[in-house]
Amino acid sequence: NAGVTQTPKFRILKIGQSMTLQCTQDMNHNYMYWYRQDPGMGLKLIYYSVGAGITDKGEVPNGYNVSRSTTEDFPLRLELAAPSQTSVYFCASSYGVGYEQYFGPGTRLTVT
Amino acid sequence: DAKTTQPPSMDCAEGRAANLPCNHSTISGNEYVYWYRQIHSQGPQYIIHGLKNNETNEMASLIITEDRKSSTLILPHATLRDTAVYYCIARNYGGSQGNLIFGKGTKLSVKP
Repeated sequence: NAGVTQTPKFRILKIGQSMTLQCTQDMNHNYMYWYRQDPGMGLKLIYYSVGAGITDKGEVPNGYNVSRSTTEDFPLRLELAAPSQTSVYFCASSYGVGYEQYFGPGTRLTVT
Repeated sequence: DAKTTQPPSMDCAEGRAANLPCNHSTISGNEYVYWYRQIHSQGPQYIIHGLKNNETNEMASLIITEDRKSSTLILPHATLRDTAVYYCIARNYGGSQGNLIFGKGTKLSVKP
């Protein structure tokens, strides 16, 4: 199993540009999550999904959108990038609530 | 979810046991204690979790006090590769979101 994979690893965006961060898991997990981590801080939840077709907001959803058309994929869309979105983005998945979460390697995004 | 308190940093000599404390004095009866770690620039990695009994797996041991107000993660023979930020998280096994709330954790430095 590859686990949780994320692309790209690094990206630099100009203010106002848009992009999609890709996340794929091959463990047939129902739950998937997007977190962001600012320098020196813990992770904050952006969006999560409990299954295909079901998504919901987390703690810091503004400026982001998600979709979950398949069990495997959970892309995160940034519209109109802003410097405040400079961060490292982690995708995670789990079998269910309470089960351990498996994290991807992260996408380091810089908005200038 | 209950708030947890951890020391910001700790040092440990290579080959010795690393004992990482966590205070969770407001933990409720149905909240588990989870430990994750994050090696520099990587995604967090699950280590262990428990409710009230001590737990052990191939990575570590978790000792929870009888009143459940604190716990200790033990890495029995720390290596240089165990240098990481360790997060202690108290959360319900159930709930709707299942996300993890990360604090700032303890930065463990294993020294030769």
